[in-house]
Amino acid sequence: EADIYQTPRYLVIGTGKKITLECSQTMGHDKMYWYQQDPGMELHLIHYSYGVNSTEKGDLSSESTVSRIRTEHFPLTLESARPSHTSQYLCASAGHDRESGKNIQYFGAGTRLSVL
Amino acid sequence: QKEVEQDPGPLSVPEGAIVSLNCTYSNSAFQYFMWYRQYSRKGPELLMYTYSSGNKEDGRFTAQVDKSSKYISLFIRDSQPSDSATYLCAGSKAAGNKLTFGGGTRVLVKP
Repeated sequence: EADIYQTPRYLVIGTGKKITLECSQTMGHDKMYWYQQDPGMELHLIHYSYGVNSTEKGDLSSESTVSRIRTEHFPLTLESARPSHTSQYLCASAGHDRESGKNIQYFGAGTRLSVL
Repeated sequence: QKEVEQDPGPLSVPEGAIVSLNCTYSNSAFQYFMWYRQYSRKGPELLMYTYSSGNKEDGRFTAQVDKSSKYISLFIRDSQPSDSATYLCAGSKAAGNKLTFGGGTRVLVKP
């Protein structure tokens, strides 16, 4: 079972508020990712990091920002939330799985964000 | 054009039937292919992981990759109601690199 945690699980917030979605993993993985997923739709990569102090924008443009000050922590911030930001945000980390010998991407349970 | 395409479904089958899921992809650089299962309001979990072309079997699940036709398949034998979920295929250029996902196929197994 993957040790990757996202908080909060659900967040309802008003327009204009600053929010930070937390993501932590205890597997020591260097690679971490943020995806955005609308209900019944595909996952879109919005940010990724290959290590501390390394962040890149993903395939889908996003107004959010990320930081990677510690290996285990990859928070996502929205400076001013808008209704168009309403979505599910999924965090993932990737690393070598000892049992299978493969590089596997593990997902957190997600944060469901609603901006009113 | 999306790099990875999946029929969104829903695909409805009776319990015990074989579920057949397919993806096509356009990026020839993809070497690693994965199937993830996602239950409602949960994060995706890895089901199958294959490298290059070929078959892989794990219990009731079989994954097939045909790189010549850029076609990925997942078969679920003896399907159970607990298999009802959305199944996402994904490809990547290198092990551990970022994944490109298909849109997912929703599967419903009826008792």
